[in-house]
Amino acid sequence: EPEVTQTPSHQVTQMGQEVILRCVPISNHLYFYWYRQILGQKVEFLVSFYNNEISEKSEIFDDQFSVERPDGSNFTLKIRSTKLEDSAMYFCASSDGGWGLAGEEQYFGPGTRLTVT
Amino acid sequence: SQELEQSPQSLIVQEGKNLTINCTSSKTLYGLYWYKQKYGEGLIFLMMLQKGGEEKSHEKITAKLDEKKQQSSLHITASQPSHAGIYLCGADGGGSNYKLTFGKGTLLTVNP
Repeated sequence: EPEVTQTPSHQVTQMGQEVILRCVPISNHLYFYWYRQILGQKVEFLVSFYNNEISEKSEIFDDQFSVERPDGSNFTLKIRSTKLEDSAMYFCASSDGGWGLAGEEQYFGPGTRLTVT
Repeated sequence: SQELEQSPQSLIVQEGKNLTINCTSSKTLYGLYWYKQKYGEGLIFLMMLQKGGEEKSHEKITAKLDEKKQQSSLHITASQPSHAGIYLCGADGGGSNYKLTFGKGTLLTVNP
Protein backbone atom coordinates (compact mmCIF):
# COMPACT_ATOMS: atom_id res chain seq x y z
CA GLU A 1 0.00 0.00 0.00
CA PRO A 2 1.41 3.43 -0.92
CA GLU A 3 2.60 5.51 2.01
CA VAL A 4 4.24 8.80 2.82
CA THR A 5 7.81 8.40 4.04
CA GLN A 6 9.96 10.86 5.98
CA THR A 7 13.64 11.11 6.81
CA PRO A 8 15.28 11.34 9.21
CA SER A 9 13.06 9.95 11.94
CA HIS A 10 14.92 12.03 14.53
CA GLN A 11 17.13 15.08 14.07
CA VAL A 12 19.06 16.82 16.79
CA THR A 13 20.52 20.19 15.96
CA GLN A 14 22.00 23.19 17.70
CA MET A 15 20.19 26.49 17.85
CA GLY A 16 20.99 28.62 14.81
CA GLN A 17 21.76 25.69 12.54
CA GLU A 18 19.90 24.94 9.33
CA VAL A 19 17.94 21.71 9.01
CA ILE A 20 16.26 20.04 6.06
CA LEU A 21 13.48 17.58 6.65
CA ARG A 22 12.67 15.27 3.78
CA CYS A 23 9.48 13.63 2.63
CA VAL A 24 8.46 11.38 -0.20
CA PRO A 25 4.71 11.84 -0.75
CA ILE A 26 2.47 9.22 -2.35
CA SER A 27 3.40 9.17 -6.01
CA ASN A 28 0.17 10.23 -7.73
CA HIS A 29 -0.74 12.87 -5.17
CA LEU A 30 -0.87 16.54 -6.11
CA TYR A 31 -1.16 18.38 -2.79
CA PHE A 32 1.60 18.33 -0.22
CA TYR A 33 1.62 19.63 3.31
CA TRP A 34 3.78 20.14 6.34
CA TYR A 35 2.30 20.12 9.81
CA ARG A 36 3.97 20.20 13.18
CA GLN A 37 3.07 19.00 16.64
CA ILE A 38 4.81 20.41 19.68
CA LEU A 39 4.87 17.80 22.43
CA GLY A 40 1.50 17.61 24.15
CA GLN A 41 -0.16 20.07 21.77
CA LYS A 42 -2.37 20.02 18.71
CA VAL A 43 -1.21 19.16 15.23
CA GLU A 44 -0.82 22.54 13.46
CA PHE A 45 -0.83 23.34 9.77
CA LEU A 46 2.34 24.97 8.45
CA VAL A 47 2.12 25.08 4.67
CA SER A 48 0.45 23.56 1.64
CA PHE A 49 2.09 23.14 -1.76
CA TYR A 50 0.39 22.60 -5.09
CA ASN A 51 1.50 22.93 -8.67
CA ASN A 52 5.06 23.67 -7.62
CA GLU A 53 4.27 26.59 -5.41
CA ILE A 54 3.07 27.41 -1.92
CA SER A 55 -0.72 27.60 -1.99
CA GLU A 56 -1.24 28.56 1.65
CA LYS A 57 0.87 29.08 4.73
CA SER A 58 0.14 29.71 8.38
CA GLU A 59 1.52 32.49 10.52
CA ILE A 60 3.97 29.97 11.98
CA PHE A 61 5.57 29.61 8.55
CA ASP A 62 7.74 32.72 8.65
CA ASP A 63 10.83 33.66 6.64
CA GLN A 64 12.90 31.03 8.45
CA PHE A 65 10.91 28.29 6.74
CA SER A 66 10.93 27.25 3.12
CA VAL A 67 9.67 24.30 1.12
CA GLU A 68 10.82 22.79 -2.09
CA ARG A 69 10.00 19.97 -4.42
CA PRO A 70 13.45 19.53 -5.98
CA ASP A 71 12.48 16.58 -8.17
CA GLY A 72 9.42 14.51 -8.99
CA SER A 73 9.38 12.62 -5.73
CA ASN A 74 10.86 14.57 -2.81
CA PHE A 75 9.29 17.36 -0.81
CA THR A 76 11.48 19.18 1.71
CA LEU A 77 11.04 21.58 4.58
CA LYS A 78 14.00 23.77 5.43
CA ILE A 79 14.39 25.73 8.62
CA ARG A 80 17.13 28.26 8.05
CA SER A 81 18.17 29.12 11.60
CA THR A 82 16.57 26.88 14.17
CA LYS A 83 15.27 28.12 17.50
CA LEU A 84 14.52 26.18 20.66
CA GLU A 85 10.81 26.62 20.02
CA ASP A 86 11.12 24.81 16.68
CA SER A 87 11.51 21.56 18.62
CA ALA A 88 8.52 19.48 17.56
CA MET A 89 7.38 16.54 15.49
CA TYR A 90 7.09 17.55 11.85
CA PHE A 91 4.65 15.66 9.68
CA CYS A 92 4.48 15.60 5.94
CA ALA A 93 1.14 14.77 4.32
CA SER A 94 -0.17 14.35 0.82
CA SER A 95 -3.52 14.22 -0.92
CA ASP A 96 -4.80 13.85 -4.45
CA GLY A 97 -7.21 16.70 -3.80
CA GLY A 98 -10.23 14.82 -5.02
CA TRP A 99 -8.88 14.03 -8.45
CA GLY A 100 -8.21 10.41 -7.72
CA LEU A 101 -10.21 7.50 -6.38
CA ALA A 102 -9.25 8.33 -2.81
CA GLY A 103 -11.10 11.60 -2.89
CA GLU A 104 -9.51 14.18 -0.67
CA GLU A 105 -8.10 11.73 1.84
CA GLN A 106 -4.95 13.10 3.35
CA TYR A 107 -2.22 10.69 4.38
CA PHE A 108 0.48 11.49 6.87
CA GLY A 109 4.05 10.32 7.15
CA PRO A 110 5.53 8.92 10.38
CA GLY A 111 7.08 12.26 11.27
CA THR A 112 10.51 13.66 12.00
CA ARG A 113 11.20 14.52 15.61
CA LEU A 114 13.29 17.70 15.61
CA THR A 115 15.15 18.54 18.79
CA VAL A 116 16.87 21.91 18.96
CA THR A 117 19.43 22.29 21.76
CA SER B 1 -10.78 30.42 12.27
CA GLN B 2 -12.23 26.98 12.75
CA GLU B 3 -12.00 25.33 16.18
CA LEU B 4 -12.59 21.66 16.91
CA GLU B 5 -13.59 20.48 20.35
CA GLN B 6 -13.12 16.80 21.14
CA SER B 7 -14.77 15.02 24.03
CA PRO B 8 -13.92 13.35 26.19
CA GLN B 9 -10.27 14.37 26.53
CA SER B 10 -9.46 10.89 27.79
CA LEU B 11 -11.29 7.65 28.21
CA ILE B 12 -10.50 4.40 30.00
CA VAL B 13 -12.61 1.38 29.10
CA GLN B 14 -12.57 -2.31 29.80
CA GLU B 15 -11.84 -4.56 26.85
CA GLY B 16 -15.04 -5.54 25.10
CA LYS B 17 -16.89 -2.33 25.93
CA ASN B 18 -18.29 0.09 23.37
CA LEU B 19 -17.30 3.73 23.37
CA THR B 20 -17.97 6.99 21.54
CA ILE B 21 -15.75 9.99 20.91
CA ASN B 22 -17.22 13.29 19.74
CA CYS B 23 -15.85 16.11 17.66
CA THR B 24 -17.70 19.43 17.46
CA SER B 25 -16.79 22.19 15.08
CA SER B 26 -17.29 25.94 15.45
CA LYS B 27 -18.06 26.11 11.71
CA THR B 28 -19.59 23.98 8.98
CA LEU B 29 -17.53 20.93 8.20
CA TYR B 30 -16.67 20.35 4.56
CA GLY B 31 -14.60 17.31 5.25
CA LEU B 32 -14.08 15.61 8.60
CA TYR B 33 -11.15 13.30 9.06
CA TRP B 34 -10.46 10.82 11.83
CA TYR B 35 -6.94 9.72 12.58
CA LYS B 36 -5.35 7.51 15.18
CA GLN B 37 -1.98 8.37 16.69
CA LYS B 38 0.22 6.36 18.97
CA TYR B 39 2.09 8.64 21.35
CA GLY B 40 5.04 10.24 19.57
CA GLU B 41 4.24 8.58 16.26
CA GLY B 42 2.53 9.42 12.98
CA LEU B 43 -1.15 9.83 12.18
CA ILE B 44 -2.91 6.81 10.77
CA PHE B 45 -5.84 7.68 8.51
CA LEU B 46 -9.08 6.04 9.63
CA MET B 47 -11.95 7.66 7.75
CA MET B 48 -13.11 10.78 5.99
CA LEU B 49 -16.70 12.05 5.93
CA GLN B 50 -18.08 14.76 3.71
CA LYS B 51 -21.82 14.55 3.43
CA GLY B 52 -24.27 15.35 6.16
CA GLY B 53 -25.64 12.13 7.58
CA GLU B 54 -22.80 10.12 6.10
CA GLU B 55 -21.65 7.10 8.07
CA LYS B 56 -18.60 4.95 7.38
CA SER B 57 -17.29 1.83 9.04
CA HIS B 58 -13.97 0.08 9.09
CA GLU B 59 -13.72 -3.09 11.08
CA LYS B 60 -15.15 -2.21 14.49
CA ILE B 61 -14.92 1.56 14.09
CA THR B 62 -17.84 3.62 12.79
CA ALA B 63 -17.83 7.34 12.18
CA LYS B 64 -20.77 9.58 11.45
CA LEU B 65 -21.17 13.20 10.36
CA ASP B 66 -24.38 14.80 11.55
CA GLU B 67 -26.91 16.36 9.19
CA LYS B 68 -25.97 19.91 10.07
CA LYS B 69 -22.34 19.06 9.44
CA GLN B 70 -20.95 20.53 12.60
CA GLN B 71 -20.39 17.40 14.64
CA SER B 72 -18.95 13.97 14.12
CA SER B 73 -18.84 10.91 16.32
CA LEU B 74 -16.50 7.93 16.31
CA HIS B 75 -17.86 4.74 17.78
CA ILE B 76 -15.82 1.67 18.63
CA THR B 77 -17.65 -1.58 19.21
CA ALA B 78 -16.23 -4.29 21.47
CA SER B 79 -13.00 -2.42 22.13
CA GLN B 80 -9.66 -4.22 22.16
CA PRO B 81 -6.25 -3.22 23.54
CA SER B 82 -5.17 -2.59 19.92
CA HIS B 83 -7.66 0.29 19.78
CA ALA B 84 -5.70 2.19 22.42
CA GLY B 85 -4.15 5.44 21.29
CA ILE B 86 -4.99 9.06 20.62
CA TYR B 87 -7.90 9.74 18.29
CA LEU B 88 -7.73 13.00 16.41
CA CYS B 89 -10.41 14.68 14.37
CA GLY B 90 -9.33 17.03 11.63
CA ALA B 91 -11.49 19.39 9.60
CA ASP B 92 -11.19 20.71 6.11
CA GLY B 93 -12.51 24.25 6.29
CA GLY B 94 -13.65 24.34 2.69
CA GLY B 95 -10.72 26.12 1.10
CA SER B 96 -9.15 24.88 -2.11
CA ASN B 97 -6.06 23.60 -0.35
CA TYR B 98 -7.71 21.03 1.91
CA LYS B 99 -5.54 22.05 4.85
CA LEU B 100 -6.68 20.47 8.09
CA THR B 101 -7.38 21.96 11.49
CA PHE B 102 -7.17 19.47 14.32
CA GLY B 103 -8.75 18.94 17.69
CA LYS B 104 -6.65 18.25 20.77
CA GLY B 105 -7.33 14.54 20.61
CA THR B 106 -8.92 11.91 22.82
CA LEU B 107 -6.64 9.51 24.64
CA LEU B 108 -8.16 6.04 24.73
CA THR B 109 -6.92 3.38 27.12
CA VAL B 110 -8.35 -0.12 26.85
CA ASN B 111 -7.71 -2.35 29.84
CA PRO B 112 -7.52 -6.09 29.19
